[in-house]
Amino acid sequence: EVQLVESGGALVQPGGSLRLSCAASGFTFSYYGMSWVRQAPGKGLEWISYIDLSSNNKYYADSVKGRCTVSRDNAKNSLYLQMNSLRAEDTAVYYCARFYYYLDVWGKGTTVTVSS
Amino acid sequence: AIQMTQSPSSLSASVGDSVTITCRASQAIRNDLGWYQQKPGKAPKLLIYAASNLQSGVPSRFSGSGSGTDFTLTISSLQPEDFATYYCLQDYNYPWTFGQGTKVEFK
Repeated sequence: EVQLVESGGALVQPGGSLRLSCAASGFTFSYYGMSWVRQAPGKGLEWISYIDLSSNNKYYADSVKGRCTVSRDNAKNSLYLQMNSLRAEDTAVYYCARFYYYLDVWGKGTTVTVSS
Repeated sequence: AIQMTQSPSSLSASVGDSVTITCRASQAIRNDLGWYQQKPGKAPKLLIYAASNLQSGVPSRFSGSGSGTDFTLTISSLQPEDFATYYCLQDYNYPWTFGQGTKVEFK
């Protein structure tokens, strides 16, 4: 079964850091680009990052650029999002998604809450 | 960044109705657009890719059309399981951008 499972979400104080992980299974992870998308409580979807299959190209939304770093380990079938200098507006459910011309497989999400 | 203007933001409909949702891009995006369905507490689900291609396993009552700047998602005969929020997403260039969403509610 093709599956993505996010982890690492937590309650963190403003200014803190967090590393999210996304474990892939059921497909050849190294063949696909990957993205992170988030959704603040009661709000719409927001694309925040993309990494290509070889990690040669990485892209970010302006809202997280300079504070977040996307990475992957193809040997471990894993995607990561390092988040620094967290703000209250980063509070959201974070989804990872597989990309092959479109975002076709999504995880169930992990919740990040930024609050003192 | 390309802005995706989605309308309406919400609509009320009955089972069996035909429903149309539109997305307008602030610049031409070829057909680099997908439509996603999201139910409360769940992850988004891909319905349509490349503007008009039905994702495998998605019922044929869903259809998409458009190219350039104007796109539509049509649900030809609304079913109870279709009450959800729908989003368009352009992946023509970075940053990718979603529409604001359309909530389809039961009339």
